[in-house]
Amino acid sequence: DVKVTQSSRYLVKRTGEKVFLECVQDMDHENMFWYRQDPGLGLRLIYFSYDVKMKEKGDIPEGYSVSREKKERFSLILESASTNQTSMYLCASSPGGLAGNTIYFGEGSWLTVV
Amino acid sequence: AQSVTQLDSQVPVFEEAPVELRCNYSSSVSVYLFWYVQYPNQGLQLLLKYLSGSTLVKGINGFEAEFNKSQTSFHLRKPSVHISDTAEYFCALGSWGKLQFGAGTQVVVTP
Repeated sequence: DVKVTQSSRYLVKRTGEKVFLECVQDMDHENMFWYRQDPGLGLRLIYFSYDVKMKEKGDIPEGYSVSREKKERFSLILESASTNQTSMYLCASSPGGLAGNTIYFGEGSWLTVV
Repeated sequence: AQSVTQLDSQVPVFEEAPVELRCNYSSSVSVYLFWYVQYPNQGLQLLLKYLSGSTLVKGINGFEAEFNKSQTSFHLRKPSVHISDTAEYFCALGSWGKLQFGAGTQVVVTP
């Protein structure tokens, strides 16, 4: 089975802190994604990566950056956390190639910024 | 521009009754359509997907969905729900390898 592992399930950070959310997948997938989930808004794409060191902005990249130094690892960085970034963050991965490939999700990281 | 609209934010249903979750999409290019389920405190799990071919798609846990191009819809159905089907369901539109999600439909199954 595909496994997407997010290192922290629950985090509480202070406003202004730099926050790292880590994600690792074990299926050698080319594509990796970070989504943010908020009630009534569904999931919104923050950033995605098609390959190592490649990244592209999604729909809501402001206030976030990403890093992909190795194929299996994709990190989301909040340079200066703010209270409006309190949310559930979901990492995902998928094989490259066909656009209809299934995207597999991790269990999510609940971030609270106080 | 592409968009996904889930027409119901919450659907209450009795155990063993049928359920239908409605999803409409808008896109100017060929798309792929997905339904995902999220159980409490978990990530998303694929229920089914439509890529091409037969418009009736069968998925896991007894769910099925029908793709209707003329009505730009992809509604999800299950003929008889269980308590364990209580979850949030997301319709998603795929293109260029990414997914665009609807706002979600919370299904609450009661005895």
